[in-house]
Amino acid sequence: DAMVIQNPRYQVTQFGKPVTLSCSQTLNHNVMYWYQQKSSQAPKLLFHYYDKDFNNEADTPDNFQSRRPNTSFCFLDIRSPGLGDAAMYLCATSREGRGKQPQHFGDGTRLSIL
Amino acid sequence: QKEVEQNSGPLSVPEGAIASLNCTYSDRGSQSFFWYRQYSGKSPELIMFIYSNGDKEDGRFTAQLNKASQYVSLLIRDSQPSDSATYLCAVGITGGGNKLTFGTGTQLKVEL
Repeated sequence: DAMVIQNPRYQVTQFGKPVTLSCSQTLNHNVMYWYQQKSSQAPKLLFHYYDKDFNNEADTPDNFQSRRPNTSFCFLDIRSPGLGDAAMYLCATSREGRGKQPQHFGDGTRLSIL
Repeated sequence: QKEVEQNSGPLSVPEGAIASLNCTYSDRGSQSFFWYRQYSGKSPELIMFIYSNGDKEDGRFTAQLNKASQYVSLLIRDSQPSDSATYLCAVGITGGGNKLTFGTGTQLKVEL
């Protein structure tokens, strides 16, 4: 089945220790998104790629970076995680369609900070 | 004013009843509307999407859109305990490119 796969499902890191979350997709969608979601809150878009074009949200901290080496893979790097970065991180994909295409989510990575 | 608003709930309905979940949005030019279901600790799962005014039915789910009132709703008929989840409304905002704006979700509880 075509899908969006996130690894790992659970990640524990130490305060200030860099961490990388990964996302892969077999849907061949050209848009990939990274969201941060905290308890009882809406998913918050951090950035997205339209093909290789990177689009950062204005309020995304510099601590968050992303890489998309090819169509299938996208990574979220948190350079110096703080306690406030503990959250569920969601990767999603869609076809290009000016917001008319549904986004399909992976299972998420739950990040804990010690 | 929030761009996409939902009542956080919880909305409690008895098993077998119709659950009605509502969402309002502020951008009059919005073109696309999506409902996602999110179980606790899980990721959002697409339930339905609607682009045109009126109703769209898929099994036990009906999405209703009224662009004049800037209102979209999701009806769940014959509600089951397995429908207990948070339902997120997402809207494609004018000029937002491929981005969707999510509401904070309504928690639905279906009681036996």
